Amino acid sequence: DAKTTQPTSMDCAEGRAANLPCNHSTISGNEYVYWYRQIHSQGPQYIIHGLKNNETNEMASLIITEDRKSSTLILPHATLRDTAVYYCIVRSFTGTASKLTFGTGTRLQVTL
Amino acid sequence: AAGVIQSPRHLIKEKRETATLKCYPIPRHDTVYWYQQGPGQDPQFLISFYEKMQSDKGSIPDRFSAQQFSDYHSELNMSSLELGDSALYFCASSLGLGVYEQYFGPGTRLTVT
Repeated sequence: DAKTTQPTSMDCAEGRAANLPCNHSTISGNEYVYWYRQIHSQGPQYIIHGLKNNETNEMASLIITEDRKSSTLILPHATLRDTAVYYCIVRSFTGTASKLTFGTGTRLQVTL
Repeated sequence: AAGVIQSPRHLIKEKRETATLKCYPIPRHDTVYWYQQGPGQDPQFLISFYEKMQSDKGSIPDRFSAQQFSDYHSELNMSSLELGDSALYFCASSLGLGVYEQYFGPGTRLTVT
């Protein structure tokens, strides 16, 4: 799976949009970009995933650049409950292998 | 909605003892994954099962074994426990091996003394 690079930490004011970047310059054509988050030792929580088109769900939006070498997770109106470690994961499907390979992630702190 | 169930939630064992962790996937999910998260570390993949067969293997010690049963629940068996095995152990389930998101359980916190 391609390696990802994320900022170690970010701050965001409550009510503002949180934009979390991820670099995955070695991504290949059959690899998807997934985002998970982990709130203080709880089980990681799925947020969103995409291949090349931008995606939106009730939690967030995912913007993938045209060359697919980077992406941005957008939380439109961050709340204190969004404080967590956010993981950008590139995931390929080669037959039976579909594990998640977690990197170091971005620690997002949402403040009042 | 039903979630992944893990038991026990907390477990304290002594060195060289054995431990068994259980995972009950979301109904109709046929794929189970196990992850280990040491203190201050990120989750690391251990092993996965699809339709009761091992589908992938990560950095799982030889002292550990796992299986998936006919009702799709899974058990992680850990023997000759070491202090370094102290960690959070997460189980996740999904509908299959394809482009399906994994849903994680609350984890089992294992402490080896």
